[in-house]
Amino acid sequence: GNSVTQMEGPVTLSEEAFLTINCTYTATGYPSLFWYVQYPGEGLQLLLKATKADDKGSNKGFEATYRKETTSFHLEKGSVQVSDSAVYFCALSGGFGNEKLTFGTGTRLTIIP
Amino acid sequence: DTEVTQTPKHLVMGMTNKKSLKCEQHMGHRAMYWYKQKAKKPPELMFVYSYEKLSINESVPSRFSPECPNSSLLNLHLHALQPEDSALYLCASSQSYGPGTPYGYTFGSGTRLTVV
Repeated sequence: GNSVTQMEGPVTLSEEAFLTINCTYTATGYPSLFWYVQYPGEGLQLLLKATKADDKGSNKGFEATYRKETTSFHLEKGSVQVSDSAVYFCALSGGFGNEKLTFGTGTRLTIIP
Repeated sequence: DTEVTQTPKHLVMGMTNKKSLKCEQHMGHRAMYWYKQKAKKPPELMFVYSYEKLSINESVPSRFSPECPNSSLLNLHLHALQPEDSALYLCASSQSYGPGTPYGYTFGSGTRLTVV
């Protein structure tokens, strides 16, 4: 079945630091890949997505590139802000028979001023 | 309207109570989902409705009973819950449910349920 392996947290960074959260996946076929963000006390929000190899998803300064050769979808941001503090989930939706959204374990990010 | 609305936001219920969680979307999405999320864990899928029909039940205990009255509404009926059922219950929707669904899901803010 499908699986997502996500960088262990928690991650603590200073404001304006560079962020990378690693995500690798196992899936048959050509899954769609997603990053979701969950702010304290809230539901999940779709941050960005990519639906085929070499696609780059981007939103709010965050980027991730669908790398089929390394089965990865790492999340990056050049300069983080305190307001980026949240839990980030990598997820995938697979092919026929594996359609359900499979989540990674989540990475808690804290940005200190 | 690009939201999924869940009510109530908080619910405390006894183990003998019957209650319902409600979820509504007006984006024309034809797939709706219930997830359960425990603290510091990812969401776990409970049920999938596609075109108002139950497509997936992830072996959820019968004390949880989903209902999809129409394409905009999704309910979760709760009866005789246990304290370990305390969690954040999230509703989500997507344009459709199928292979490599490219659309992503829209999640509600959740109902925080406490069973006492």
